Amino acid sequence: DAKTTQPNSMESNEEEPVHLPCNHSTISGTDYIHWYRQLPSQGPEYVIHGLTSNVNNRMASLAIAEDRKSSTLILHRATLRDAAVYYCILRGGGADGLTFGKGTHLIIQP
Amino acid sequence: NAGVTQTPKFQVLKTGQSMTLQCAQDMNHEYMSWYRQDPGMGLRLIHYSVGAGITDQGEVPNGYNVSRSTTEDFPLRLLSAAPSQTSVYFCASSPEGGRMRNQPQHFGDGTRLSIL
Repeated sequence: DAKTTQPNSMESNEEEPVHLPCNHSTISGTDYIHWYRQLPSQGPEYVIHGLTSNVNNRMASLAIAEDRKSSTLILHRATLRDAAVYYCILRGGGADGLTFGKGTHLIIQP
Repeated sequence: NAGVTQTPKFQVLKTGQSMTLQCAQDMNHEYMSWYRQDPGMGLRLIHYSVGAGITDQGEVPNGYNVSRSTTEDFPLRLLSAAPSQTSVYFCASSPEGGRMRNQPQHFGDGTRLSIL
């Protein structure tokens, strides 16, 4: 799977929107962009995924650049419960699992 | 709605001991996998299975064995535990192994394993 680059950490205030960036300049045309998050002492949790168009679900929105070389996970109104490590992962074909980097540690201030 | 269940949640072993980490899912998922997560790191794939009777190695398979006799269960065996295997182990599943590009994986809450 192609490599992604994320900031090590970000900080935001409660009840404000959060934009988490991810660069993936070597993405292939068939790679899906997945986001997972991992709360302290828990397993990773699926957040959202997309291919070309922007996506929305109950947890977040995913904005994908037109050239697909970057994407942004948007939490519309952060809560303290959103404090976690967020992973941006590209999924191509094949069954060999997810490739996790170090992700972005999101800190939410009350 | 159990999802992916891992047992035990915590375990301490002595070097050289063997043990089996259990993973069960009740979603009839074909694909199951095991990851390990070391402090401050992302997850690394140990072994995976695309269906009952089929397993394959991931990135870090040495020291671990798996089998998949049923769709529901995917146990991970440590044959002779070493301190380097101290880690948090996560099991995951998803509906179909071969077409995973657009399918999310479901993770268990992990087994925290310490090898003394």
